Amino acid sequence: KAGVTQTPRYLIKTRGQQVTLSCSPISGHRSVSWYQQTPGQGLQFLFEYFSETQRNKGNFPGRFSGRQFSNSRSEMNVSTLELGDSALYLCASTPLAGGRGDTQYFGPGTRLTVL
Amino acid sequence: AQTVTQSQPEMSVQEAETVTLSCTYDTSENNYYLFWYKQPPSRQMILVIRQEAYKQQNATENRFSVNFQKAAKSFSLKISDSQLGDTAMYFCAYNFNKFYFGSGTKLNVKP
Repeated sequence: KAGVTQTPRYLIKTRGQQVTLSCSPISGHRSVSWYQQTPGQGLQFLFEYFSETQRNKGNFPGRFSGRQFSNSRSEMNVSTLELGDSALYLCASTPLAGGRGDTQYFGPGTRLTVL
Repeated sequence: AQTVTQSQPEMSVQEAETVTLSCTYDTSENNYYLFWYKQPPSRQMILVIRQEAYKQQNATENRFSVNFQKAAKSFSLKISDSQLGDTAMYFCAYNFNKFYFGSGTKLNVKP
């Protein structure tokens, strides 16, 4: 099976712009989670989607949003970009939602740089 | 709130030696899961090992093993016979309904 894919891999934006990142989970996986990874902060949970519904949400401002399509592909959007949004954004998929104990399979990430 | 703490930001070990990475967590739950993930330089994060909290036996996966102390809320990773390919960031993670990750330990295996 193909792994989790994320596009684009690299992105450079300026403050105030908005950005959309895409994630395609492993075939058959229905849950997609998004994380923000910055040096020293580790991985911060953004949100989780299952069957096109947001099931869990982290402590991020409303500028961060996401959605999931019927084929389980997911997008996350960040509006009014700030310098502090520069990070590696990781997507992970699992077969089930809130599947306690399910291993998360990660994509390669999208490196976002905000100038 | 659940928190995961990795107190060693960076560690080094000589090839073929053994190293232990520390992780502590805070939770009031009883049946949860713990993970160690590895993120090699510029490569994808992959699962190293998984532990079910209701199981007393420590998980092992080839050269990787854990020391799970439930009462102490401690979950350390031991890497035996370290190899150059073990050089990576290692993240400890707690899972109940959501995943909570530690800030990571950068492990450098020296030849």
